[in-house]
Amino acid sequence: QQQVKQSPQSLIVQKGGISIINCAYENTAFDYFPWYQQFPGKGPALLIAIRPDVSEKKEGRFTISFNKSAKQFSLHIMDSQPGDSATYFCAASRLDDYKLSFGAGTTVTVRA
Amino acid sequence: DAMVIQNPRYQVTQFGKPVTLSCSQTLNHNVMYWYQQKSSQAPKLLFHYYDKDFNNEADTPDNFQSRRPNTSFCFLDIRSPGLGDAAMYLCATSREIRSYEQYFGPGTRLTVT
Repeated sequence: QQQVKQSPQSLIVQKGGISIINCAYENTAFDYFPWYQQFPGKGPALLIAIRPDVSEKKEGRFTISFNKSAKQFSLHIMDSQPGDSATYFCAASRLDDYKLSFGAGTTVTVRA
Repeated sequence: DAMVIQNPRYQVTQFGKPVTLSCSQTLNHNVMYWYQQKSSQAPKLLFHYYDKDFNNEADTPDNFQSRRPNTSFCFLDIRSPGLGDAAMYLCATSREIRSYEQYFGPGTRLTVT
């Protein structure tokens, strides 16, 4: 049973466009929501993370939007670049549990 | 730079031939994790060590074992690899068991022939 549902499975965006990936969770005990970026043949790298006490967090061209009441969060990649082409995983965890619950992943392709 | 290192990056083994993958970390983190990631899937946690305490996930096959001889090193042993064990194996660390952030190594791609 997947605790975090991620969509879409893949997306293609033109250079300079906006990539949007959505995730939804059920467990209201989750209190940490990271996004990982994974290039082919590499391990996942922590990209950006948010706690539920804020509704938005921005780091450079990457923004997480968080909607606690809807139990949803999303990643926006602004001004998408070919170097952003990767698989993105959302995840959720809670402080008293070591486990990361991953979404299924979204493969983003940015066309030049 | 502090990091998580995995060796080898690519490993080929024969069906049924034991294989060991290794992970080391310079972060001085207390927790080390092993994940299995198959193509186009999310990483799946196999087990973790909190210091010397070993914790197996309920659905991790007995074919997979792990050793942590010291803080810096952790090994994944696959006793009798099957074709279904071909995957990327990821090592990760976190500072404490109640730390949010996990830091992943580059992975070892295992091929079973």
